[in-house]
Amino acid sequence: GENVEQHPSTLSVQEGDSAVIKCTYSDSASNYFPWYKQELGKGPQLIIDIRSNVGEKKDQRIAVTLNKTAKHFSLHITETQPEDSAVYFCAARHNAGGTSYGKLTFGQGTILTVHP
Amino acid sequence: GAVVSQHPSWVICKSGTSVKIECRSLDFQATTMFWYRQFPKQSLMLMATSNEGSKATYEQGVEKDKFLINHASLTLSTLTVTSAHPEDSSFYICSANEQGYEQYFGPGTRLTVT
Repeated sequence: GENVEQHPSTLSVQEGDSAVIKCTYSDSASNYFPWYKQELGKGPQLIIDIRSNVGEKKDQRIAVTLNKTAKHFSLHITETQPEDSAVYFCAARHNAGGTSYGKLTFGQGTILTVHP
Repeated sequence: GAVVSQHPSWVICKSGTSVKIECRSLDFQATTMFWYRQFPKQSLMLMATSNEGSKATYEQGVEKDKFLINHASLTLSTLTVTSAHPEDSSFYICSANEQGYEQYFGPGTRLTVT
């Protein structure tokens, strides 16, 4: 089955700096890679995702890059703000097509702390 | 994005009793819903995949007779923890797929068994 490794486990930055979180996956058939932000006591919130047919996707201060050959993908947050502090999870999934979706395999999570 | 709700948001029950948690997709139909369990400072662990109109698919090591899942309609899945024990105390989260790749999560249910 799929295995997703996420690094670092904790990341501390100053407000305004950039933050990068990296994930590697093992199943070359995986073709969908979402990133989730989870605040304390809440469910994960989808913040950005990327499919295997593109190499990069950006949404304001957040971007995700994908290297299919190396089987790794990364989350980039620029101009970090204190409200970006949370736990971030990467995930991978193989979508076989149709209306049936495979299960997500999650990374271990990264605790991001942005200091004002 | 699509909205998934859970009820209750937190529950305390006595050891040996059963607890039901509801998961609803509010503005879309979900043929597939997922149930996760999360311990403090850990990642999400998939418990089972809930399919509307059919039996749930449980992950290895998850007791299907203890964690009963019913996906009675395209907008509702329920998880019943039967004969709960303190070790079942955890954060339970459901998710659902809208039409497309995106999977949306509910706010979670904090279960405490005393």
